[in-house]
Amino acid sequence: DIEMTQSPSSVSASVGDRVTITCRASQDISRWIAWYQQKPGKAPKLLIFAASTSQDGVPSRFSGSGSGTDFTLTISSLQPEDFATYYCQQAYNYPRTFGPGTKVDIK
Amino acid sequence: QVQLQESGPGLVKPSETLSLTCTISGGSISRYYWSWIRQPPGKGLEWMGYIAYTGDTNYNPSLKSRVTFSVDTSRNQVSLKLSSVTAADTAVYYCARDRQVAFEYWGQGTLVTVSS
Repeated sequence: DIEMTQSPSSVSASVGDRVTITCRASQDISRWIAWYQQKPGKAPKLLIFAASTSQDGVPSRFSGSGSGTDFTLTISSLQPEDFATYYCQQAYNYPRTFGPGTKVDIK
Repeated sequence: QVQLQESGPGLVKPSETLSLTCTISGGSISRYYWSWIRQPPGKGLEWMGYIAYTGDTNYNPSLKSRVTFSVDTSRNQVSLKLSSVTAADTAVYYCARDRQVAFEYWGQGTLVTVSS
């Protein structure tokens, strides 16, 4: 199985801050990574797929980059509704695997 | 807008079989894969497997001996059965439309507790 790791595990930030979350795959996954946002008690919501393609309706402040084993999700200007946990997921092979999550909370 | 809704018992006894159904509305079940993903309370996400509208399946090897998916295209439903459950199977269970590059639409999830 491909192991996905994320850093940091949590980050405290203020509204307006730029936040970057990193995800690393245990092997080359090309650009086959997706990012999700999950708020407490809610299902994950797809933000980004294929490393940098935004899902319809996702605000432009969310962007993704990377290829191979190292990827980033960037929130350019944190908004109050962005406080949540973010997960990466590899879509390169089976079984699909997720990172452990990064919690973004209020500073 | 596609909507998914999981349903089934919220409490299952140890060693019994967990059964859930996912009803898809606002779109056809055809031409897509449908995945089941679970999340133990306070923990991360685990992909359990997918079923295609054709009935083709791909299970996570960690669960393969205990899990069975089925599809009913006439009812726009997919179903999950997980046998011989233990407390470790206590989780929120989600169904999701699987585009293979990502899980595009998710149900709201249903909490299943395994307890006697």
